[in-house]
Amino acid sequence: EDKVVQSPLSLVVHEGDTVTLNCSYEVTNFRSLLWYKQEKKAPTFLFMLTSSGIEKKSGRLSSILDKKELFSILNITATQTGDSAIYLCAVEARNNAGNMLTFGGGTRLMVKP
Amino acid sequence: GAGVSQSPSNKVTEKGKDVELRCDPISGHTALYWYRQRLGQGLEFLIYFQGNSAPDKSGLPSDRFSAERTGESVSTLTIQRTQQEDSAVYLCASSPWLAGAYEQYFGPGTRLTVT
Repeated sequence: EDKVVQSPLSLVVHEGDTVTLNCSYEVTNFRSLLWYKQEKKAPTFLFMLTSSGIEKKSGRLSSILDKKELFSILNITATQTGDSAIYLCAVEARNNAGNMLTFGGGTRLMVKP
Repeated sequence: GAGVSQSPSNKVTEKGKDVELRCDPISGHTALYWYRQRLGQGLEFLIYFQGNSAPDKSGLPSDRFSAERTGESVSTLTIQRTQQEDSAVYLCASSPWLAGAYEQYFGPGTRLTVT
């Protein structure tokens, strides 16, 4: 059974801090790993990672994938209160039925002023 | 306890046919969401139910798509006259929607293939 585990479950930091969120996975026939930011209604897509060792960057956010050790990290530098959200990791894998997504439980980040 | 369940897990249908996808949320969760995930793309929001409020249908891509929810339980997403571009994984999520808590718990998805 495919499995995606995120850590920590929750995190409280102050503005300006740097945070690292972790996502480890065990899936068969891995295709890609996706990061989302979830606020009130729908998760917002952040990154899609398919290759090991290549950092993807968007502003203060960056992410990298290690396909050998089966994990990814999401870094947020100079955090702001608007970064407070739940960060979801999902892994896309191929099975007999086609491509399926498995989500992790999420990391709840709270950034205090 | 039981998580969000969806059925069927896999559906293959011919173009032009109607399909119904089912979602059973976690008991007690007042909020329910439907999303679509196309291969290699991000989640696409479709529709959102919260308690007895009118559903937020702003994400439905066309009038061929509709969804219903019975109270705070089962929801069905119906796609009429399916097209090949409807092929995707359809995900359902539920949330307790407590004050300050909006975690969404995702089901395993239904993979829809329109031939």
